This record gives sequence, structure tokens and C-alpha cells, in this order.
Amino acid sequence: KQEVTQIPAALSVPEGENLVLNCSFTDSAIYNLQWFRQDPGKGLTSLLLIQSSQREQTSGRLNASLDKSSGRSTLYIAASQPGDSATYLCAALKAAGNKLTFGGGTRVLVKP
Amino acid sequence: DTAVSQTPKYLVTQMGNDKSIKCEQNLGHDTMYWYKQDSKKFLKIMFSYNNKELIINETVPNRFSPKSPDKAHLNLHINSLELGDSAVYFCASSQARGNTIYFGEGSWLTVV
Repeated sequence: KQEVTQIPAALSVPEGENLVLNCSFTDSAIYNLQWFRQDPGKGLTSLLLIQSSQREQTSGRLNASLDKSSGRSTLYIAASQPGDSATYLCAALKAAGNKLTFGGGTRVLVKP
Repeated sequence: DTAVSQTPKYLVTQMGNDKSIKCEQNLGHDTMYWYKQDSKKFLKIMFSYNNKELIINETVPNRFSPKSPDKAHLNLHINSLELGDSAVYFCASSQARGNTIYFGEGSWLTVV
């Protein structure tokens, strides 16, 4: 059974600092790994999707890496801004089937 | 123009009642999902439909019955509501397995 863990559960940084968010998964037989952002009272917005054959994906200030062998993914957000404050969730899709398993999320606060 | 829309956004109801949450996507996607986010913010899949056919039923009590009249709609009907059903229910869709998933804004269900 796939388990996805995100540590820390909460993170507070001053504006301008780089953010590093961690995600670990127990079963390396994944199809892809996705990172989402959730704002209070809102749904999830997809940020990056990394296929199992890829090592990283980049979009603007966001960069996500994937190391299947160690069961880890990291989301880097460069030069954080107050608007980056949100909860960030990672989710692993099983290699077989259509089940996406989510981590518990990291709640980020970027202080001006 | 909302891609995945679900109604109602807020629902407060008494134990024992029956209620429905509706979901529609205008993205032309083949696959739709229902997720439940509990009070600890963990997101878990409940159901997944592909072209109106059920492909995932994640040990959800049979009081929950999804219905997909066409591939653009996936409704969730809940019978005999219990206190533990209080949660946020998210509808989502994707073009195919492994593609980016798009979420609705959630339906906040409170059972009193």
C-alpha cells in the first residue's frame, strides 16, 4: 500500500527566501508524481507533474525533482513571495491503476 | 469559465437525511473523480469513472452512490447521512490516466 508523507507539516519563511518542500513515498512503482497548491477554501491547482522516467520539471520559479529509487520528491520555490502562502500537496500515481495517493500537505507562510 | 464546477459549495444538513452533490466539467475529459478531504486535511479518493464506467471504488460505504449520466457529469448521492460524513468533497477530472488532474472548488458538507 502506497503511503505519501510530507514533512514538515508547516513552514514559515521571510519573503525572498527559497522554499524547499519534501515529499516521500513508500512504493517506488509510480507512474508519475504531481505537486498541487491549495488555497484556503479553494480546490487544488496542479503545479507540476513529473513522469516516472523524468528527474525534474520546471515552471517559472518552481522546480520539482524526483528520485524514484529513494522514494523522494522535492519542490523548490525560488525567491518566495507572500502570494506563495498556501498548502502544497504532493501525490503519487500508482504504476498500475488510476489511484492517486496524497500526502498530508505542507502549509507555507511567507512573511513580508 | 469554470473548468470543473460542483454544487452546492456549502451544505448543512441533519443526520439521517439524503443529499446530493453535483459535478460538471467542460474540459472534454474522459475521467472524473470524487475525493474526500477530512478534518485533518487528508485527501482520499472515493470513486473514479472513465467514460461513465466505474473504475475505482475505494471501500466507500454503500450509502455513497456516484452516478455519471454522461462523461461530463459525475454526481454524488449520500443516503442516511452520519456525523462522520462531514468533510469537504472534491470533484476532479483528467483527460486520461496519468494526465494532470483538475479539481473543483469543493463542497463543504456539515452533518449536524
